[in-house]
Amino acid sequence: DQQVKQNSPSLSVQEGRISILNCDYTNSMFDYFLWYKKYPAEGPTFLISISSIKDKNEDGRFTVFLNKSAKHLSLHIVPSQPGDSAVYFCAASEISGYALNFGKGTSLLVTP
Amino acid sequence: ETGVTQTPRHLVMGMTNKKSLKCEQHLGHNAMYWYKQSAKKPLELMFVYNFKEQTENNSVPSRFSPECPNSSHLFLHLHTLQPEDSALYLCASSQAARRNSNQPQHFGDGTRLSIL
Repeated sequence: DQQVKQNSPSLSVQEGRISILNCDYTNSMFDYFLWYKKYPAEGPTFLISISSIKDKNEDGRFTVFLNKSAKHLSLHIVPSQPGDSAVYFCAASEISGYALNFGKGTSLLVTP
Repeated sequence: ETGVTQTPRHLVMGMTNKKSLKCEQHLGHNAMYWYKQSAKKPLELMFVYNFKEQTENNSVPSRFSPECPNSSHLFLHLHTLQPEDSALYLCASSQAARRNSNQPQHFGDGTRLSIL
């Protein structure tokens, strides 16, 4: 049973606008959440993370929001650029675990 | 360049062959991981090594045999694999695999394995 879900397989956004990628999880023991970006034929690249003690973490154009009560997190990219076009994976790990549990990914296309 | 290098990038083998996947990290990390990504499925953790000691085996069949000779190198030895083992195998590393410690994992580009 999948514990991390990304319900939108794809998203298309115009350059300069905001991209919002969403992720839901079911395991209340998750306390660390990450976003990875993946280009074709490459491995996932770490983007940004957030601990469960926070509700927001910002790094340049990337901001991750965590809503623990809704078991939901989102990644905001603003402004979006064509180079941001990639597959974005949400991942989470438990307090007492090693494994990252991944969603299936959302393919983002940023059009000029 | 992610600092985690996997070889080979592609591997085709028969079910009776024996081959090995190699991973090397140049990040000074002490934990290394093997993940498997099958078609249309999320990444699944296979093994965790922390300071060269295996700390997790996620119910992986014995036809997959990991080896970690030092903190920079990780191998996955393969023998008598099945067609369903065809997948992308990803290696990752982190500073250390500690419970209650939040560390991002950094991934290599993977080995695409096809079993004939």
